[in-house]
Amino acid sequence: GQNIDQPTEMTATEGAIVQINCTYQTSGFNGLFWYQQHAGEAPTFLSYNVLDGLEEKGRFSSFLSRSKGYSYLLLKELQMKDSASYLCAVSPNQAGTALIFGKGTTLSVSS
Amino acid sequence: TAGITQAPTSQILAAGRSMTLRCTQDMRHNAMYWYRQDLGLGLRLIHYSNTAGTTGKGEVPDGYSVSRANTDDFPLTLASAVPSQTSVYFCASSEQLGLAGSGEQFFGPGTRLTVL
Repeated sequence: GQNIDQPTEMTATEGAIVQINCTYQTSGFNGLFWYQQHAGEAPTFLSYNVLDGLEEKGRFSSFLSRSKGYSYLLLKELQMKDSASYLCAVSPNQAGTALIFGKGTTLSVSS
Repeated sequence: TAGITQAPTSQILAAGRSMTLRCTQDMRHNAMYWYRQDLGLGLRLIHYSNTAGTTGKGEVPDGYSVSRANTDDFPLTLASAVPSQTSVYFCASSEQLGLAGSGEQFFGPGTRLTVL
């Protein structure tokens, strides 16, 4: 079957660094996405990894290990506005672009 | 501004009634999707369309139907609504992976549906 696991909730303080892990077991693999979703809003794209390694984009970085079925999203210099849900999603095949989403990790940043 | 629009923003519907949720994108993306998002369950795919004229079933298709008559529009119809269809519905679109960028999905603002 298809399964994506990520922690339900995490807390952190302003200025800190937080790592959100995601493990996946899917029938195929054609890339892993991270999305951010603020309460009451639509998900917005953060990052995409298809090859092993680290992709850095400003304060956010995403890492992928295909052999381990593992990814993480690293958020540096946390700000209050980073309080949101972070969704890990996998594209399982090339035939279509449908994604399988994890249930999301709700991150609360406090001052 | 380019993007995806959904209508209505929210709706209260009596059980047994039918309803069509509308979705329109102006990015000329080939692929479009409908998801429902429920607390504790995350985003679940209802139906998708990889190109105009074709549709496919996702993880939770029962009770829903879609059509894709053209590139821009992808309506979702509930033929006879039930309370378990109370949810937030998101429409999304993307280009095909490998053709343009990462194939990231762009989401509409969502429709909050309550079935009583």
